[in-house]
Amino acid sequence: GAVVSQHPSRVICKSGTSVKIECRSLDFQATTMFWYRQFPKQSLMLMATSNEGSKATYEQGVEKDKFLINHASLTLSTLTVTSAHPEDSSFYICSAEVTGQGAFTDTQYFGPGTRLTVL
Amino acid sequence: QKEVEQDPGPLSVPEGAIVSLNCTYSNSAFQYFMWYRQYSRKGPELLMYTYSSGNKEDGRFTAQVDKSSKYISLFIRDSQPSDSATYLCAMSMDSSYKLIFGSGTRLLVRP
Repeated sequence: GAVVSQHPSRVICKSGTSVKIECRSLDFQATTMFWYRQFPKQSLMLMATSNEGSKATYEQGVEKDKFLINHASLTLSTLTVTSAHPEDSSFYICSAEVTGQGAFTDTQYFGPGTRLTVL
Repeated sequence: QKEVEQDPGPLSVPEGAIVSLNCTYSNSAFQYFMWYRQYSRKGPELLMYTYSSGNKEDGRFTAQVDKSSKYISLFIRDSQPSDSATYLCAMSMDSSYKLIFGSGTRLLVRP
């Protein structure tokens, strides 16, 4: 249980284009999903917290107009990198929080990540 | 000073060794402590989840939390080459609050 998928796993795009990344909770409902960015040999940095049906909460220093987040349902959140530039190249990882009852409630399960390369 | 400190390694051990991974933190409000394993180019996988102080054991893995020292540990017994990965500690103040991650320790278990 608690499987999170991401699509695509890898994307290469030209500078100036927009890229959409999907995050899905496959076997549970996630009221809250999180988006992280990870640069090589560095830890995960939280970008934003996404709650179903409401606006995302962005961390300090993260441009909300550049990184658009939509949490349209309890199983799907999307991150759109608008007008991507080479400095946006990174590993983007989503996580979903299990809510309700059980041994691992209120913990985050991570997707496999999406590697974005902007040329 | 970072909120969570973790030695980046790499830590190289022979197969079968006991591995000790550690994190220190500065915020005494942290109550929830987690260890994640991350293989190269993959998302983190939850290994252990502990609330407040104490020990928790799951198979070859034991997590310890010492809140008085602001120090958490993950022990891996009978380490295997497949345990080679980066281990991330993470913690939060509230069960629904954001996670703060350590930088990760890269572990290499030699056959």
